[in-house]
Amino acid sequence: TQLLEQSPQFLSIQEGENLTVYCNSSSVFSSLQWYRQEPGEGPVLLVTVVTGGEVKKLKRLTFQFGDARKDSSLHITAAQTGDTGLYLCAGLGSSYKLIFGSGTRLLVRP
Amino acid sequence: NAGVTQTPKFRILKIGQSMTLQCTQDMNHNYMYWYRQDPGMGLKLIYYSVGAGITDKGEVPNGYNVSRSTTEDFPLRLELAAPSQTSVYFCASSKDGNYEQYFGPGTRLTVT
Repeated sequence: TQLLEQSPQFLSIQEGENLTVYCNSSSVFSSLQWYRQEPGEGPVLLVTVVTGGEVKKLKRLTFQFGDARKDSSLHITAAQTGDTGLYLCAGLGSSYKLIFGSGTRLLVRP
Repeated sequence: NAGVTQTPKFRILKIGQSMTLQCTQDMNHNYMYWYRQDPGMGLKLIYYSVGAGITDKGEVPNGYNVSRSTTEDFPLRLELAAPSQTSVYFCASSKDGNYEQYFGPGTRLTVT
């Protein structure tokens, strides 16, 4: 069974601080996606990483896929209150099924 | 485009009742999915479909049924509702299995 573990589960920081969220597995994934979910809404895709070692940047967000394609990280620079939400990583497993991590709930305080 | 729409938004069921959660997408996507999300957790796949007439089980299919008679619609049927089915249900679609999944706004279901 392919599993994804995210850490930390919950993070509360002050606006302007930096943070890193981790997504780890013992399984290899062909690609990994990061979603953000706001209360009362469905997840929205932020990025997809495909190649081992790949780094993608989305404004203040930096995503990295591990060399062995088993783990990923999301780094946010100078967090803003608008970054508050639930961040979910999801690995593409067999039969094109997404395996979701349990999520990291981020609260950015003003 | 409306994207992925789900109805109803909220529903309270009594134990043993049945209901159908509706999901429609207007993006002509081949793949459609049903997930459930329990409080503080990620999403677990219930059923998915790779095209009209084709469905398959996900991680947690027990207590649910699906059908896919058209490209647009992918209803989820709950038979004999149980408290363990209290959750938020999300429908999603994608162009094919490798592409981004687009999610609906969810249905919040409570079984008492």
